[in-house]
Amino acid sequence: KAGVTQTPRYLIKTRGQQVTLSCSPISGHRSVSWYQQTPGQGLQFLFEYFSETQRNKGNFPGRFSGRQFSNSRSEMNVSTLELGDSALYLCASSRGQEGETQYFGPGTRLLVL
Amino acid sequence: EDQVTQSPEALRLQEGESSSLNCSYTVSGLRGLFWYRQDPGKGPEFLFTLYSAGEEKEKERLKATLTKKESFLHITAPKPEDSATYLCAVQAGTSYDKVIFGPGTSLSVIP
Repeated sequence: KAGVTQTPRYLIKTRGQQVTLSCSPISGHRSVSWYQQTPGQGLQFLFEYFSETQRNKGNFPGRFSGRQFSNSRSEMNVSTLELGDSALYLCASSRGQEGETQYFGPGTRLLVL
Repeated sequence: EDQVTQSPEALRLQEGESSSLNCSYTVSGLRGLFWYRQDPGKGPEFLFTLYSAGEEKEKERLKATLTKKESFLHITAPKPEDSATYLCAVQAGTSYDKVIFGPGTSLSVIP
């Protein structure tokens, strides 16, 4: 069974630009969660989508947004990039029920210059 | 406020020297506790899910246990390839799939 895939794996952007990251979940998984990981803050929850609807949201500014398509693939968008947005962005998929294990992709490393 | 802490922050072991990592949580209505292993620059790799106090799970040199307030990851006779950051996470309350991660324990196993 194929795992969670994320594209691109690496990105370099400059301040003020916007970026879109993509995540394809494990086949049959309907929930996709996004996390930001930095050395200082660890893994922080951004948002979760289930059946094309945002079901949960973390404490991030509105510059961070996402969406999910009917095939469960998800995209995350960050507008007006700031230096502090440099991080490893991880997505995780699950079947979406309470207590279900999340399986992570390899991440997208974003560097903002 | 839901919170997950892990100790120690970093641990250095000699190959073959067994030890335990701790994950303490303060949450309302635990739905699941998860252990992951993460290598530098990679996504977390799933290890175990525990649901209720008293539950134990094993995989090779790793054994995870759960009480009402904490979980332990026991590492028996570790090898250098066990070096990684070990993350603990919990899902709690009524929020589907909102998972809270601890800061992790960085484990180094010296040959």
